[in-house]
Amino acid sequence: GQQVMQIPQYQHVQEGEDFTTYCNSSTTLSNIQWYKQRPGGHPVFLIQLVKSGEVKKQKRLTFQFGEAKKNSSLHITATQTTDVGTYFCAGPTSGTYKYIFGTGTRLKVLA
Amino acid sequence: DTEVTQTPKHLVMGMTNKKSLKCEQHMGHRAMYWYKQKAKKPPELMFVYSYEKLSINESVPSRFSPECPNSSLLNLHLHALQPEDSALYLCASSQTIIPYEQYFGPGTRLTVT
Repeated sequence: GQQVMQIPQYQHVQEGEDFTTYCNSSTTLSNIQWYKQRPGGHPVFLIQLVKSGEVKKQKRLTFQFGEAKKNSSLHITATQTTDVGTYFCAGPTSGTYKYIFGTGTRLKVLA
Repeated sequence: DTEVTQTPKHLVMGMTNKKSLKCEQHMGHRAMYWYKQKAKKPPELMFVYSYEKLSINESVPSRFSPECPNSSLLNLHLHALQPEDSALYLCASSQTIIPYEQYFGPGTRLTVT
């Protein structure tokens, strides 16, 4: 079946360093969403990308959707301790609106 | 109000018990979801309701029974659960069936003994 994988699984960075997580789908996605889940919390929607090659920015966060619409990335510039959490991408299964969450990347920021 | 509320926050139940999880939203959303999340894993979709009708059932065992009494409420009835059903149960809602953003509730941490 369709799989959505993320790498890396874990990332520890020093505060102020940059961070990137990559999301790869086994099938083409009509759109992709990104969520952040703080430790002990629930997923919070960050952004949705729809167009091939789309790039969106939110302050220190930059999101990209691949040209083939099978991959995406989230880049955080100059991480802060508030960025700690697990970042999930989520994409719809083919022909449905049923979203599959990626495996997640857990970010730890060391002060 | 962009909040999804869930009760209870924590639930411990025996394998012979019957309990219910509740979820409520007042954003006028017409799609509501139940997800199950195990520790250090992504959320897994269980059920989707669209306009109060069950739209998707991800082959969930019948010991989990969803109910959508109205457009603001979503219940998950639990009966004869197994210890492996212990997890965080998340409710979410969206404007209509996705691809709209999903708003998640804080979840119910369920432990089956």
